[in-house]
Amino acid sequence: DAKTTQPTSMDCAEGRAANLPCNHSTISGNEYVYWYRQIHSQGPQYIIHGLKNNETNEMASLIITEDRKSSTLILPHATLRDTAVYYCIVRVGYDNYGQNFVFGPGTRLSVLP
Amino acid sequence: DTGVSQDPRHKITKRGQNVTFRCDPISEHNRLYWYRQTLGQGPEFLTYFQNEAQLEKSRLLSDRFSAERPKGSFSTLEIQRTEQGDSAMYLCASSPRSASSYEQYFGPGTRLTVT
Repeated sequence: DAKTTQPTSMDCAEGRAANLPCNHSTISGNEYVYWYRQIHSQGPQYIIHGLKNNETNEMASLIITEDRKSSTLILPHATLRDTAVYYCIVRVGYDNYGQNFVFGPGTRLSVLP
Repeated sequence: DTGVSQDPRHKITKRGQNVTFRCDPISEHNRLYWYRQTLGQGPEFLTYFQNEAQLEKSRLLSDRFSAERPKGSFSTLEIQRTEQGDSAMYLCASSPRSASSYEQYFGPGTRLTVT
């Protein structure tokens, strides 16, 4: 079973920031938080990951709470092309059998014009 | 394009037939994964290769399923005696050789329809 909970769906106005929350209250100290998204009829796309520090790349920012029990993915200026299902996943930061990515149902983000 | 490629993109087959899918990972990636995704669900892990060694198989991978990666490069997933319940998107992913980097890069998938 997925170790994360996310809202089923969210809307965001084009040009505004999209803030996607994820709860992972049972996360272990050696588990990273990964975010992926899946645009309709395509394979999932890696966005960002982090352990405990906030991370930023060209696609998004990841804010992880101090207790690491939740995180927020931020798309700073959402466009229509950001409409997708967003998955939050936790997994260990080393190879360990049985610790592959477990995808939940994710959050369906709709960016509205 | 240097991403993960999968072939074919679509396959329609009759129940009971065998099908084989191919995945070509990103060239420098030594880890390769297969997932299955049904409508409205997230991808489900099937199996994992490190180089040519198949290191992990999900209980979802029944005896009718077999995967190979003979030279540690491309991989094939074969389904024998297909059933209607096998209809799904089959996704392949690869990840880098780095010991500290586990992000997976997915291909476009092969959509299987069993009639």
